Amino acid sequence: QVQLRQWGAGLLKSSEALSLTCAVYGGSFSGYYWSWIRQSPGKGLEWIGEINHSGSTTYNPSLKSRVTVSVDTSKNQFSLKLTSVTAADTAVYYCARGVTWSDAFDIWGQGTMVTVSS
Amino acid sequence: DIQMTQSPSSLSASVGDRVTIACRASQSISNWLAWYQQKPGKAPKLLIHRASTLESGVPSRFSGSGSGTEFTLTINGLQPEDFATYHCQQYNSYSTFGGGTKVEIK
Repeated sequence: QVQLRQWGAGLLKSSEALSLTCAVYGGSFSGYYWSWIRQSPGKGLEWIGEINHSGSTTYNPSLKSRVTVSVDTSKNQFSLKLTSVTAADTAVYYCARGVTWSDAFDIWGQGTMVTVSS
Repeated sequence: DIQMTQSPSSLSASVGDRVTIACRASQSISNWLAWYQQKPGKAPKLLIHRASTLESGVPSRFSGSGSGTEFTLTINGLQPEDFATYHCQQYNSYSTFGGGTKVEIK
């Protein structure tokens, strides 16, 4: 049974960089596409970006200038870095799995609450 | 980018009711639409993909329909465990979600 477990800093100050990692347990890593999604009370669910095992990425155009998604296939992990955070980046961040590029997400991580203070 | 509009934003219903939630895309997305159920403090759970294909293990009282720009999620015979928030997602071009519909107990 595939599980995604994620972790990272939960409290940041404005202008700092957000960093989260998601590990894949119990299933194939190379055959899927791995996304980051966030949810804030004001904006609902927002897709941030995705990566495959080869390191190819696509990003939400509205966040692209600040986002980097990377992969470590030796550990079955992928990571999110979001630079220059502001209060608007306060949200619950989820990692999730898709079967192909731009897909529905069938497995999700448990979520990480990230709060940005000024 | 493609905007997704869900309606209503919330509704009250009783156990056993038939519930319908609508999702409209700002441009045609063919059938590249998914529905999710989310309970407080939990990650969303995939219910339906390709507009009408039920995910494995999801009860048959859930169904989805539509194509192009208009889509519907129907729950036939609402159960106590169905009180939750439902989200639609288009994945025709990148991925965007609707604002959610909260289904509450009447």
